Amino acid sequence: DAGVTQSPTHLIKTRGQQVTLRCSPKSGHDTVSWYQQALGQGPQFIFQYYEEEERQRGNFPDRFSGHQFPNYSSELNVNALLLGDSALYLCASSRTGGNTIYFGEGSWLTVV
Amino acid sequence: GIQVEQSPPDLILQEGANSTLRCNFSDSVNNLQWFHQNPWGQLINLFYIPSGTKQNGRLSATTVATERYSLLYISSSQTTDSGVYFCAGFYGGSQGNLIFGKGTKLSVKP
Repeated sequence: DAGVTQSPTHLIKTRGQQVTLRCSPKSGHDTVSWYQQALGQGPQFIFQYYEEEERQRGNFPDRFSGHQFPNYSSELNVNALLLGDSALYLCASSRTGGNTIYFGEGSWLTVV
Repeated sequence: GIQVEQSPPDLILQEGANSTLRCNFSDSVNNLQWFHQNPWGQLINLFYIPSGTKQNGRLSATTVATERYSLLYISSSQTTDSGVYFCAGFYGGSQGNLIFGKGTKLSVKP
């Protein structure tokens, strides 16, 4: 049983570019959340997707957008990258009504 | 405000020692969970513990919801226990927005 998988593992982008990160949830999970973790900080909630719609959103600008596909996988898109967007981006999945959250290994984004 | 506070921020132990990590959380945060983040960045769910006590091997956790705190106990620590321990809770009763503390960085020396 595969857990939460994310790609790519590491990437480097230039300021102003756009990036897409991908996530496949754990088998049987239908809800995907994305978190941003800056160095030395705890993860911060970006948004959550359920039934292909954004259900909740944290305090992040519109440059951060997402999508969920019919197979429950998800993408996180960030436009007009800033140096401050450099962080570990974590995808988490859960089952509706469940309380246990499973995280992927994350995507390390460096903006130069 | 919405807060999850962890202490201590850093902890250095000799292998075999015991430790207690603390998490205080505000009224708007519920359904406490404890995570371990390994050096490669992956967060592993240790406990879902909204109240009461749970044990898993050398780890145990206790949450006293009425007093808004949770404790994570690590006994007979091993070098593989090193990493950052986070507590987190759902904001406002929802199951989406996990609010994390800043973590406790644990280093276990051989």
